[in-house]
Amino acid sequence: GENVEQHPSTLSVQEGDSAVIKCTYSDSASNYFPWYKQELGKRPQLIIDIRSNVGEKKDQRIAVTLNKTAKHFSLHITETQPEDSAVYFCAANSPRGGYSTLTFGKGTMLLVSP
Amino acid sequence: GAVVSQHPSWVICKSGTSVKIECRSLDFQATTMFWYRQFPKQSLMLMATSNEGSKATYEQGVEKDKFLINHASLTLSTLTVTSAHPEDSSFYICSSRLNTEAFFGQGTRLTVV
Repeated sequence: GENVEQHPSTLSVQEGDSAVIKCTYSDSASNYFPWYKQELGKRPQLIIDIRSNVGEKKDQRIAVTLNKTAKHFSLHITETQPEDSAVYFCAANSPRGGYSTLTFGKGTMLLVSP
Repeated sequence: GAVVSQHPSWVICKSGTSVKIECRSLDFQATTMFWYRQFPKQSLMLMATSNEGSKATYEQGVEKDKFLINHASLTLSTLTVTSAHPEDSSFYICSSRLNTEAFFGQGTRLTVV
């Protein structure tokens, strides 16, 4: 099955700095890569996603890049703010019989200090 | 976006009792519901996938008889933790997909004492 590795596990930055989180996946059939932000005790919220036919996508301060050949994708947050502090999960969607499943990375705890 | 409503948000139960968690899709039909378990400071681990009108598919290592899943309608899936023990204490969360996007329930914090 799919295996998703995520690094780093924790990331501390100063407000205004950029943050980069990297993920790799193993299943070449994976075709959709969402990123989620999860605050303590709450449900994951989709912040950005990218499909396998696209190399880069940007939404204001957040961007995601995908390298299908190398099987890795990255989340970039620019001009970080304290409210960006949360756990971020990457995921890879792989076909599985009649449906698709998401496999999650282990998460990155991002701490943005004022 | 689509809404998945999960109840209860938290529950405390005695060891040996059973607990039922419900997930409802409020504005779409959830043919498939995914059930995850999340330990503190860890990732979401897929436990099982339920399909409306058929038996659930469990991930390796997940006990079918302990985690009973029912998906009787297109808008409701339930997870029952039977004979709960303290090691079952965790955050359980459901999710359904609309097109490719996943929508999560609020999660249920289960504490077994």
